[in-house]
Amino acid sequence: GENVEQHPSTLSVQEGDSAVIKCTYSDSASNYFPWYKQELGKRPQLIIDIRSNVGEKKDQRIAVTLNKTAKHFSLHITETQPEDSAVYFCASFSGGYNKLIFGAGTRLAVHP
Amino acid sequence: KAGVTQTPRYLIKTRGQQVTLSCSPISGHRSVSWYQQTPGQGLQFLFEYFSETQRNKGNFPGRFSGRQFSNSRSEMNVSTLELGDSALYLCASSRKTENTGELFFGEGSRLTVL
Repeated sequence: GENVEQHPSTLSVQEGDSAVIKCTYSDSASNYFPWYKQELGKRPQLIIDIRSNVGEKKDQRIAVTLNKTAKHFSLHITETQPEDSAVYFCASFSGGYNKLIFGAGTRLAVHP
Repeated sequence: KAGVTQTPRYLIKTRGQQVTLSCSPISGHRSVSWYQQTPGQGLQFLFEYFSETQRNKGNFPGRFSGRQFSNSRSEMNVSTLELGDSALYLCASSRKTENTGELFFGEGSRLTVL
């Protein structure tokens, strides 16, 4: 069935380093791929998204790339800061009507 | 502009009871989705409503149900609670109707079943 695999499950970096999180999706019909950041006890917040007709999108220190052939997409965070510490979820739209299939999440820790 | 509001934020129930959770979407948003978040299963889609109609449903038993009112507010109900229903229940609203809109999540209702 529909599935999104996300790696790694945990990621620890030093402040100023880059962080990369990768996701693979199974449904070739998926056409929208958002990334959410969830801080402890808070709601998931959309940080960036990409649609299937675009290969890359950037927003300041955050970028997402999409490879439709390989069915995978990645989140890149440059110049990481302690406030980037959170759980990050990738997701794909599959099956219709705002149904998101989420990856299992990546717990990112940025150490000062 | 107020965000997605969910009530109650925390609640404790015992097995066999039922629970009703409420969600008020962002003003003007007509699509409301519900998700269950657990450490073991992650974020899983429950159902989605638009104009008081359920348009999509995830793989959950019939004990999980929902509805949407004419003002777009939504409720979900879980009957005959089981220990495994303990989770954070997230509501999300979207200003778009199809598969192209971003979802705005509420803070969630954390349910503990004892």
